[in-house]
Amino acid sequence: TAGITQAPTSQILAAGRSMTLRCTQDMRHNAMYWYRQDLGLGLRLIHYSNTAGTTGKGEVPDGYSVSRANTDDFPLTLASAVPSQTSVYFCASSDGLAGVRDEQFFGPGTRLTVL
Amino acid sequence: SQKIEQNSEALNIQEGKTATLTCNYTNYSPAYLQWYRQDPGRGPVFLLLIRENEKEKRKERLKVTFDTTLKQSLFHITASQPADSATYLCALVMDSSYKLIFGSGTRLLVRP
Repeated sequence: TAGITQAPTSQILAAGRSMTLRCTQDMRHNAMYWYRQDLGLGLRLIHYSNTAGTTGKGEVPDGYSVSRANTDDFPLTLASAVPSQTSVYFCASSDGLAGVRDEQFFGPGTRLTVL
Repeated sequence: SQKIEQNSEALNIQEGKTATLTCNYTNYSPAYLQWYRQDPGRGPVFLLLIRENEKEKRKERLKVTFDTTLKQSLFHITASQPADSATYLCALVMDSSYKLIFGSGTRLLVRP
């Protein structure tokens, strides 16, 4: 079982360009999440989705958008990248049936550098 | 303001000793607290969950305590091994949402 896959593994992007980070899970989990991880700041939630068709804003949503057209996929789009969006991005999922106490399963991450 | 604090300095211990990592929080009232392990270049991996009405939780060599009065969780690894070297993250779970609020993690180094 693959769990959660993310693509690309890493990317260098020119400021002002757009990019979509891909995330796919094969566990049929209801909830999915996008985090960014920066040195000294830990993981911060960008957007989340409790179930297919719904999304919500996390702690740091500005400059990012998401969609959840089906259960398995949860892409994250940067419409116009800025250098402050340089980070490691993690996608995660959880079953969602037990509510807030579910463990989250994380993907391997995408390292994004915006120049 | 709301804060989650984990020791930013690495914890360096000898193999076989018990490692104790601390997670303190301010102005949160979590219903649950989770601990994750993160290896370099990888995503976090879930280890343990403890509820607010549980004092202690164990899993093999791991033990977690949760003191809602002190607003603190302690994470212990007994008989530590070099393979336990990693960064350990605590995460608060609020009863009102699906969201985890992560600390910045503490790096553990276990010397052979």
